[in-house]
Amino acid sequence: DVKVTQSSRYLVKRTGEKVFLECVQDMDHENMFWYRQDPGLGLRLIYFSYDVKMKEKGDIPEGYSVSREKKERFSLILESASTNQTSMYLCASSSTTVNQPQHFGDGTRLSIL
Amino acid sequence: QKEVEQNSGPLSVPEGAIASLNCTYSDRVSQSFFWYRQYSGKSPELIMSIYSNGDKEDGRFTAQLNKASQYVSLLIRDSQPSDSATYLCAPRSRASKIIFGSGTRLSIRP
Repeated sequence: DVKVTQSSRYLVKRTGEKVFLECVQDMDHENMFWYRQDPGLGLRLIYFSYDVKMKEKGDIPEGYSVSREKKERFSLILESASTNQTSMYLCASSSTTVNQPQHFGDGTRLSIL
Repeated sequence: QKEVEQNSGPLSVPEGAIASLNCTYSDRVSQSFFWYRQYSGKSPELIMSIYSNGDKEDGRFTAQLNKASQYVSLLIRDSQPSDSATYLCAPRSRASKIIFGSGTRLSIRP
């Protein structure tokens, strides 16, 4: 079974802090994704990566950056956290093989005070 | 037009009945289609995949695909209270990118 592990289930940070959310997958997947999910807004793609050191902006990249130094690890960085970044953050991974789905981690519920 | 359209619900279905969830998508080149179930406060969980026109059955779940109509559906037979969740329709349009619908909230009433 695919295992996508997010470093924290719950996280509380203060406005202006630099926040790191970590995600690790154990299936040698090429693709990794970061989403945020807010009530009534569904899943929104922040960034994704097709390979090590590669990244592409999703639909809402403002205020975020990412890092993928190793294939199994994809980090989301909030450069200067703001209260409007309080949300559920979900990491996912998938193979590039045609017809393969994404597999999600358990999510990190982040609160910015 | 949204890339993936789902009725947000809530869809209320009596226990033991068939729940029918519908989805339309705009990208004609979509090749694979997924249904995810998401319980409140949890992450999405893959429950069905379908790639060809027609029906695909897995236990109490049946996915139906009609590429000409750009329509995909999920039927849940013998609905149980544990089926109460939000169901996300997710076509895979371009290489590696899956587009998620906003989801249909399903409620199974005893």
